[in-house]
Amino acid sequence: SQTIHQWPATLVQPVGSPLSLECTVEGTSNPNLYWYRQAAGRGLQLLFYSVGIGQISSEVPQNLSASRPQDRQFILSSKKLLLSDSGFYLCAWTFDLSTYNSPLHFGNGTRLTVT
Amino acid sequence: KQEVTQIPAALSVPEGENLVLNCSFTDSAIYNLQWFRQDPGKGLTSLLLIQSSQREQTSGRLNASLDKSSGRSTLYIAASQPGDSATYLCAAPGSGNTGKLIFGQGTTLQVKP
Repeated sequence: SQTIHQWPATLVQPVGSPLSLECTVEGTSNPNLYWYRQAAGRGLQLLFYSVGIGQISSEVPQNLSASRPQDRQFILSSKKLLLSDSGFYLCAWTFDLSTYNSPLHFGNGTRLTVT
Repeated sequence: KQEVTQIPAALSVPEGENLVLNCSFTDSAIYNLQWFRQDPGKGLTSLLLIQSSQREQTSGRLNASLDKSSGRSTLYIAASQPGDSATYLCAAPGSGNTGKLIFGQGTTLQVKP
């Protein structure tokens, strides 16, 4: 069976500091990977998605970036955090696009507070 | 551009009631629609996925229906229990063949004992 791991669970960082959140998927190959952010009262916002190694699509302009150095590893980064980056960050995966009816599976999320 | 709306934003019912959560979407060219549950401070859990060729999907006390022509989906919860208290989100594929999902704002359900 497939599992998704996301860490850390909580993070408190000062403004201007760097960020690195990591997500890994086990038990499958070539998954589609996603980073979502959930801010209070704003719903779930898609930040980045990737259909393969080195392939990153950005949905929203921001000071965040994403990388996929390995097939089942997805990293969310920032060089300098802003207060507005605070939120609940969720990593998710699904099977490749040839299997259209594959559910989206989420990790447990990272609660980021920028102070 | 796909937009997903959920009504109501919040719902409080006594235990044992049957209830319906609503989801509407603007782009009916979807290949599926998904319903999720989110407990406070947790990630989302997939509940049901309805394929575009299906009209409904059932899992236990949950039944989800899909009407592409009207751009609507409903989640029916039978005999609600306090453990059903959570936020329920629906999601439809965004425009283009990317596999990304567009989420509604969710309906927060409270089932009172």
